[in-house]
Parts: sequence; C-alpha cells; structure tokens
Amino acid sequence: QPVLTQPPSSSASPGESARLTCTLPSDIDVATYNIYWYQQKPGSPPRYLLYYYSDSDKGQGSGVPSRFSGSKDASANTALLLISGLQSEDEADYYCMIWPSHVVFGGGTKLTVL
Amino acid sequence: QITLKESGPTLVKPTQTLTLTCTFSGFSLSTIGVGVGWIRQPPGKALECLGIIYWDDDKRYSPSLKSRLTITKDTSKNQVVLTMTNMDPVDTATYYCAHYRMIQGVIRLDPWGQGTLVTVSS
Repeated sequence: QPVLTQPPSSSASPGESARLTCTLPSDIDVATYNIYWYQQKPGSPPRYLLYYYSDSDKGQGSGVPSRFSGSKDASANTALLLISGLQSEDEADYYCMIWPSHVVFGGGTKLTVL
Repeated sequence: QITLKESGPTLVKPTQTLTLTCTFSGFSLSTIGVGVGWIRQPPGKALECLGIIYWDDDKRYSPSLKSRLTITKDTSKNQVVLTMTNMDPVDTATYYCAHYRMIQGVIRLDPWGQGTLVTVSS
C-alpha cells in the first residue's frame, strides 16, 4: 500500500497563503495521477475540496472557494494544495488522496491559522 | 440531496465481528458509476479507506484488511453493510460511509456520513 507523506502541521497568518504538500513514493509518478484533497474540521466528516491532474484537468468541489487550488511539483514527486487569502475558518486537517487501484489517503496536515 | 448515515454497535469485544450499516438517500446504487465507500479514522489519526462497493456489485478492499472485510449492498433498501471480523482494540475508530462517483476517470468520495465511533474493548 503506497504511503503519501504529508507534514503533520503547518501554520500561516490570516490573509497569507498556505502551501500544503503531499509527497508520493518514488515508484508512483505524481504526473500520472489525479490528486484529491479533503478538508476535515474537528468533530466533522471530511469534505471534498478538489482534484488536480493538470492545469487543464482539474475540478472544484461544490461550494469550494476558488481560494483553494491544486498543483504539482514533478521534480519532487509532490502534489500541492494552495490556499490563498487564509481565513480563520480554513483552520482544519487536510488530506491528500490517490487511487492507484485502491483509495489511499495521506497522513494529513493540521493547518493552523495564527 | 445525498445523505448517508452509519449505524451499529458502539462497543464490541476483541475477537468479535463488527457489523455496520450505511443507510443512504438521494441516489441509487444501481446507477452506473456509483458506489459506497467505507473509511475509518482512529482517534487523532489519519483516514483509512476500508473498501468500496460499486453499482455492479464489484468490490475493492484495502489490501491489508481484505481477509477480514465483507461489504454487501441491498439496493432495494438503500443500504450497504460492512462486516469486519476478529476485531481488535487497534480497530477502535470512527467509521464513515461515503457516496462514491466516477465520472470520466475522476472519482469523488462525497458526501460522507457523520460517522460512528466504534470502541473495541473487553
């Protein structure tokens, strides 16, 4: 089962941008996968945010602000979730997900909005 | 509007079998491309997908838990049942079911039920 590596925590100030990473194992090429992102607030189930394959193949979840976007860094085999104009309500856990043959989640990143 | 709700025991003993039911509305499990997934989350830990059952009754299970899992559906009742055998305290978690949809190669697990906390203890 592949392991998607996410830093346990990240922080940024309101109005700033956050850049959350999800690193894939070396035997899985980030360029060939849809990367899905979920947001989870305490006491609530995860919420689908978006998927990203490329700039021309991506999709936003229902009601998800355009402040949330995806990207990839192929050189680092890493997927990125970018959140611009941070708001206090963005404080949450964020999970990346891929689907090679089975759904696999990353370990999650706790984003703190200072 | 799609909704899902998990139900079942909140406490099971080690070695027992867990049976959870996901009752849903707002979609049909006979629609092509649709499914229901089961995902769990131990307290303070990450999400883990246990398996997905698809409209055509195909099932995909977590490789690490496959031997202990069974997922079935009752389309007429709008229910999906998860069975996990030989429960252990490490299986203590919130168990979620979620609507699954694939469109043109893009999958979506959304929305999710509120989840049910299952504790494994003697």
